[in-house]
Amino acid sequence: DAKTTQPTSMDCAEGRAANLPCNHSTISGNEYVYWYRQIHSQGPQYIIHGLKNNETNEMASLIITEDRKSSTLILPHATLRDTAVYYCIVRGQGRGSTLGRLYFGRGTQLTVWP
Amino acid sequence: DAGVTQSPTHLIKTRGQQVTLRCSPKSGHDTVSWYQQALGQGPQFIFQYYEEEERQRGNFPDRFSGHQFPNYSSELNVNALLLGDSALYLCASSSGQGGKTQYFGPGTRLLVL
Repeated sequence: DAKTTQPTSMDCAEGRAANLPCNHSTISGNEYVYWYRQIHSQGPQYIIHGLKNNETNEMASLIITEDRKSSTLILPHATLRDTAVYYCIVRGQGRGSTLGRLYFGRGTQLTVWP
Repeated sequence: DAGVTQSPTHLIKTRGQQVTLRCSPKSGHDTVSWYQQALGQGPQFIFQYYEEEERQRGNFPDRFSGHQFPNYSSELNVNALLLGDSALYLCASSSGQGGKTQYFGPGTRLLVL
């Protein structure tokens, strides 16, 4: 069962920063926040993940609030190719009966406009 | 370095038939997970294979079965196909059973008529 809440859709102008919010108020101490995106009819693409510290890679930045109940994925300079459904997922790591699965909700449809 | 590959890319079957989908994991990965994505929905977990055994299973009937080979590649089999089995089937690979980052293949689009 998805443990996250995301807006259904968002718009962003090309070249501007896209800030995608996610609420995960029931997150446990050992659970990570993962972000994937899915461009129409393709497989989901891994973007970034984090536990409690902010993370940055070549694709995006992940800002996690101090209480870990919410996070924001930031695409610093959105392009038309960033138009996709973005999924925020909370999952644990380590051995366990359900830790291997990802629970996808409906995600946020981000549309980048020229 | 090849990523996750899946075959075939598209498939059309009729109700009652059986289908086999294939997945080769990313180099260095030993764990394969399968997901079903119906139109307009997020992917739903089917099962995960590690060390050639099914380790976890989602809420899918026994018509869905799988196999993992010694080279870590995997197959998903669906028997007695229903119209509702029409979906994008996604394979994801990762390293170890412990919930490491999963990387997805492009998927197989199955249409059941």
